[in-house]
Amino acid sequence: AQTVTQSQPEMSVQEAETVTLSCTYDTSESDYYLFWYKQPPSRQMILVIRQEAYKQQNATENRFSVNFQKAAKSFSLKISDSQLGDAAMYFCAYRSRNQGGKLIFGQGTELSVKP
Amino acid sequence: EAGVAQSPRYKIIEKRQSVAFWCNPISGHATLYWYQQILGQGPKLLIQFQNNGVVDDSQLPKDRFSAERLKGVDSTLKIQPAKLEDSAVYLCASSLVGARQETQYFGPGTRLLVL
Repeated sequence: AQTVTQSQPEMSVQEAETVTLSCTYDTSESDYYLFWYKQPPSRQMILVIRQEAYKQQNATENRFSVNFQKAAKSFSLKISDSQLGDAAMYFCAYRSRNQGGKLIFGQGTELSVKP
Repeated sequence: EAGVAQSPRYKIIEKRQSVAFWCNPISGHATLYWYQQILGQGPKLLIQFQNNGVVDDSQLPKDRFSAERLKGVDSTLKIQPAKLEDSAVYLCASSLVGARQETQYFGPGTRLLVL
């Protein structure tokens, strides 16, 4: 069974600085998807960025980028130029390409942004 | 485009009572998911529908939880009887079948407190 681990329960960053959130996963599959979701205090889960395992190029979305290391089974999220609105719980998630659509989530990392 | 709608937003019940949650997915999304998110944890899939058929209910406690999606659109999730450990946020998500990566879009969730 696949598992996702986020080893940082809490992280803090100064506004305008850069922060990296860590995620590792375990799977025996070679083809899958990885996601980072953001969950603000209002509880609505929002997709931040996604990565397809067969793509070597790291995904980027404006200030958000990932460092995908397939061999190490690592998928970290880098937030550049942090803004107050980035404060939220961030979840790393795995989805198999071949075994249905369910997302397997990590435990989450709560990010606070200091003005 | 309207997002995933859920109601009620909050519910407080006593143990052994029954409760029902409602979800309306994004128009045209054939796949619907119910996740349970216990405080401090990542969401866990309870059940996945494609149209009105069940794709995955392996983690649904079937002795007390039930879900239906009769016309392939709206869905209801029921708990009867509720236990203290059912206190959680229940998230509904939907996705478009066939879309690349089948990104899941989440509703605001229903926060359940069982006393």
